[in-house]
Formats: sequence, structure tokens, C-alpha cells
Amino acid sequence: GQSLEQPSEVTAVEGAIVQINCTYQTSGFYGLSWYQQHDGGAPTFLSYNALDGLEETGRFSSFLSRSDSYGYLLLQELQMKDSASYFCASRHAGNNRKLIWGLGTSLAVNP
Amino acid sequence: DTAVSQTPKYLVTQMGNDKSIKCEQNLGHDTMYWYKQDSKKFLKIMFSYNNKELIINETVPNRFSPKSPDKAHLNLHINSLELGDSAVYFCASSQGTGDSPLHFGNGTRLTVT
Repeated sequence: GQSLEQPSEVTAVEGAIVQINCTYQTSGFYGLSWYQQHDGGAPTFLSYNALDGLEETGRFSSFLSRSDSYGYLLLQELQMKDSASYFCASRHAGNNRKLIWGLGTSLAVNP
Repeated sequence: DTAVSQTPKYLVTQMGNDKSIKCEQNLGHDTMYWYKQDSKKFLKIMFSYNNKELIINETVPNRFSPKSPDKAHLNLHINSLELGDSAVYFCASSQGTGDSPLHFGNGTRLTVT
């Protein structure tokens, strides 16, 4: 089977750096995606890692290590507006149009 | 300019009723999805259509029936609504495989009383 595990909650302060980890168990691996969802809003795509290494997009970076079955989302210079839920997701081994989702990490950024 | 739009945004109804949610995307994507998000925020895939063909049909009660009249539209009809159907239902679209970003609609908050 496939599953993605991530912490349920993370708390940080404005200006800080926070890392949200995602560990996966899967029979086949096809890359890791990250989505952000504000309360009452829709999930929005943040990043995708197909290969090992770091992908940077502004204050957000995403990292993947396929050998360690592990990835993370790094948020720098945290702002209050970064308070949201963050989901990791990976393509299902048996259906290339289906995503397996983590349960989401609720990030609270405090002043 | 809305990429993925779904209606209605809110739906309050009584148990036993039948209701529909509509979704349209103007991104030219070939695949559309219905997701259910419960109060614990878990995103559960329900259905997916690729060019009007059903390609994902998860373990969902047969009271739920999707319909895709064309690749830009995907509707969800729910019969005999139950309390447990209360959730937020998201429509999404993508182009290509699961590696491609999903574009979500703003969601339909369904409350069954």
C-alpha cells in the first residue's frame, strides 16, 4: 500500500523558519507535491519534486530524498498569512491520475 | 477568469433530499475530480473523469453519481442525503498525470440536517 505521514500541527513565530516533514511508504514512487489550504479556502498547489534535491520558489522550498523516503516543505521568513494547512501528496502507483494525500499539517504562525 | 468554478458555494438541505453540485473548468484540462473533505480536513478522492471517461471510482455509496457531459464539466448528484454526507466537496482539474498540479474550485459546503 501507499501512505504519507506528516505532523498534525506545527507552531512558529513570525520571521522564523519552519520545516514540515512528509514520510512516505509506497511500493512505487513518482514524486512529491505540496499544497496549501487556508481555513475556508481551496487547496492550492505549491511545489512538486520529481527528483532528489531542493526546489526553491520564493520563501518556500521543497526537498526530496527518494532513498530516505522523505521530503519536506521549508517556509522561511514566516508571515501571519502562512497560517494554513499544508498537504503532501504523491501519485498512486496503480493509477497515474490518482494522488495519495497526507492528512495535512496545520501551521499556526504567531506574532 | 475563474479557472475552476463550482456551484453552489453553500448547500443546506434535509436528510432524504436529492441535490446536485456543478463544476466547470476553463483551463482546457483533460481530467476532472471530485474530492470530499470532512471536518478533520482529510481530502478523499471520490471520482475522476478523463475526457468524459470515468477513471477513478473510489468506494463511495452509490447514492453519489457523477456525470461529465464534456471534458470541461463534471457534476455530482447525491440521492437520499444522509447526515454523514455533510462535508466540503471540492471539484478539481488537471492536465496529464497525477504529477501535474491540481486546480481546485472553491468548494461546496454541504450541510445535511
